Amino acid sequence: EDQVTQSPEALRLQEGESSSLNCSYTVSGLRGLFWYRQDPGKGPEFLFTLYSAGEEKEKERLKATLTKKESFLHITAPKPEDSATYLCAVQAQGGSEKLVFGKGTKLTVNP
Amino acid sequence: ETGVTQTPRHLVMGMTNKKSLKCEQHLGHNAMYWYKQSAKKPLELMFVYNFKEQTENNSVPSRFSPECPNSSHLFLHLHTLQPEDSALYLCASSQDYSTDYTQYFGPGTRLTVL
Repeated sequence: EDQVTQSPEALRLQEGESSSLNCSYTVSGLRGLFWYRQDPGKGPEFLFTLYSAGEEKEKERLKATLTKKESFLHITAPKPEDSATYLCAVQAQGGSEKLVFGKGTKLTVNP
Repeated sequence: ETGVTQTPRHLVMGMTNKKSLKCEQHLGHNAMYWYKQSAKKPLELMFVYNFKEQTENNSVPSRFSPECPNSSHLFLHLHTLQPEDSALYLCASSQDYSTDYTQYFGPGTRLTVL
C-alpha cells in the first residue's frame, strides 16, 4: 500500500531562520511527487512536481528535492507570509490518477 | 473566472436534506476529482472522472453521488448524510495525465451536517 509520512507535524521558525520539511514515501513505482501549500479554510495551492530522483525545483524561498525514498522542502530565510500547512502527495505508476497525501506539516513563521 | 471554482463555499444541512456541490474548471483539463479533507486526516480521494467517465470510486458510501456532465463541470449530490460527513470537500482537475500529472484544486466547500 502506498504511504506518505510527513515530519515534523508542526514547525515554528523565527523570520529568517531556514529549515527543511521532510516527506518520506513508499510507493510501487513513483510517477510523481507533489508539494502543495494550504492556508486555513482554503484549497491546496500547487507548488512543485518532481518526477525522478535527483530532481530539484525552486520557487522564491522554497526548494524541493527528491530521492528514491523521500523529498525535502527547504525554506530559506522564511517570512511570516510563508506560514501555512505544506502537503506532500505521491502518485504511483500504473494508470491510476490517485494522489496519496501525507497529513502535512504546519509551519508558523514568527516576525 | 480562472482556475477551479466551487460553490457554495459553505453549507449547513440536516441529516434528511438533499443538496449538491458544484465544481467548474476553467483550465481546459480532462480529468476532475472529488476529495474529502477531515480534521487531523490526510486528503482522501473520493471519485475520479476522466473525459466524463468515472474511473475511480474509492469505496465511497452511496449517500454521495457524483455527476460529470462534461469535462468542465462536476457535481457531488448529497443525501441522508451523517454528522461524520462534516468536512472540507475539495474539487481538483488535471490535464491529460500522460503529459502532466499535476492536480489543481478549488477553494473547497465547508460542509457541516447537523
